[in-house]
Amino acid sequence: ILNVEQSPQSLHVQEGDSTNFTCSFPSSNFYALHWYRWETAKSPEALFVMTLNGDEKKKGRISATLNTKEGYSYLYIKGSQPEDSATYLCAFDNAGGTSYGKLTFGQGTILTVHP
Amino acid sequence: SAVISQKPSRDICQRGTSLTIQCQVDSQVTMMFWYRQQPGQSLTLIATANQGSEATYESGFVIDKFPISRPNLTFSTLTVSNMSPEDSSIYLCSVDEGASGGPLRELFFGEGSRLTVL
Repeated sequence: ILNVEQSPQSLHVQEGDSTNFTCSFPSSNFYALHWYRWETAKSPEALFVMTLNGDEKKKGRISATLNTKEGYSYLYIKGSQPEDSATYLCAFDNAGGTSYGKLTFGQGTILTVHP
Repeated sequence: SAVISQKPSRDICQRGTSLTIQCQVDSQVTMMFWYRQQPGQSLTLIATANQGSEATYESGFVIDKFPISRPNLTFSTLTVSNMSPEDSSIYLCSVDEGASGGPLRELFFGEGSRLTVL
């Protein structure tokens, strides 16, 4: 059983604060690490798919880093806005692309940004 | 990117009944995936639905409880049979497509079906 852990479980920040949260995953048989944002009553939306150790990806105010050797990824949000409020999911892919869709998800970090 | 429609979006069901969730994709896809998120738990893959063959179920999920149909390349249904309160979950349909800018694939999801079983 693959263990993907996210911390913290929930986070409350004020508008304008920067924040970050963690995803840890097995360091063996790594293929890719995914981050998704899931807003209430909407579809989960892919933020990043990362494969290379040391990789850093950025989309607007959101960025993510990847350490495959130690098995963790950080997601950073700079200058949080209320519209960033969502559950952030990470998902581990150890399938080498041969079993598309078979991702192991963490429990998510619920972010609430207060105006 | 694929656009996925699911229905119902939510329902309240009685114990012992069955409910079928429909998933429609706006393009033809080879595989469709059904996930479940129980309260406080991770998104968990139930099964992979392939057109023209039986669905492939993950450990802990069986066809009798979660029968799946895949009549064509744009549509699938998941039935939750003989429901109990433990089946109260969000059920998500998804497909995978190439992530923008490279060979990697990412999942696209429907908006989910939130089932509450009394």
